[in-house]
Amino acid sequence: AQKITQTQPGMFVQEKEAVTLDCTYDTSDPSYGLFWYKQPSSGEMIFLIYQGSYDQQNATEGRYSLNFQKARKSANLVISASQLGDSAMYFCAMREADSGAGSYQLTFGKGTKLSVIP
Amino acid sequence: DTGVSQNPRHKITKRGQNVTFRCDPISEHNRLYWYRQTLGQGPEFLTYFQNEAQLEKSRLLSDRFSAERPKGSFSTLEIQRTEQGDSAMYLCASSPRGQGTGELFFGEGSRLTVL
Repeated sequence: AQKITQTQPGMFVQEKEAVTLDCTYDTSDPSYGLFWYKQPSSGEMIFLIYQGSYDQQNATEGRYSLNFQKARKSANLVISASQLGDSAMYFCAMREADSGAGSYQLTFGKGTKLSVIP
Repeated sequence: DTGVSQNPRHKITKRGQNVTFRCDPISEHNRLYWYRQTLGQGPEFLTYFQNEAQLEKSRLLSDRFSAERPKGSFSTLEIQRTEQGDSAMYLCASSPRGQGTGELFFGEGSRLTVL
């Protein structure tokens, strides 16, 4: 089973509007972390926001907020006041408990391509 | 520039040739990761180093792939006898010891095209 599912291959949003990018996850670990990364056409993965499984409040970072619904195992990214520079691929990722090697590797979804329309 | 640096950024090679990619992590980071990203997919974990020790390898890392991190600084990823299926973006990431969230800091990637 997919650990991270992003069901929207592509999304369009009007400039200055808000947009929600969906992410659901699957884990049996009680302790985990959820991340969103942005990947512009240049290729670099840019960290946007983090939510820990024990965090009581939804994470926010500037125009980014994470709508964390633990019971539903969803961690949707909300971008407010979209800008043309927000056009990029967006990846949801999860860090589960350490496998013992101390790697804390991230598992990524397939991504959503966001296009902001002027 | 104090970010993660990868080179070359682009490599075109013929099937059967060997290629090597280099990653220079952020200097104080002791953890280093290699990921592979194919078209339309998210990054997939390949291998992990803590200092100079390679502690975890994905089943994606076939015998033709080898990674090193001598002295716990830069890392190299070598692919021997390349195949067309190796065409992908190879991403390197690093993170510091004991960092709370586990955020990974990525480089811009090395794009491999195998003809």
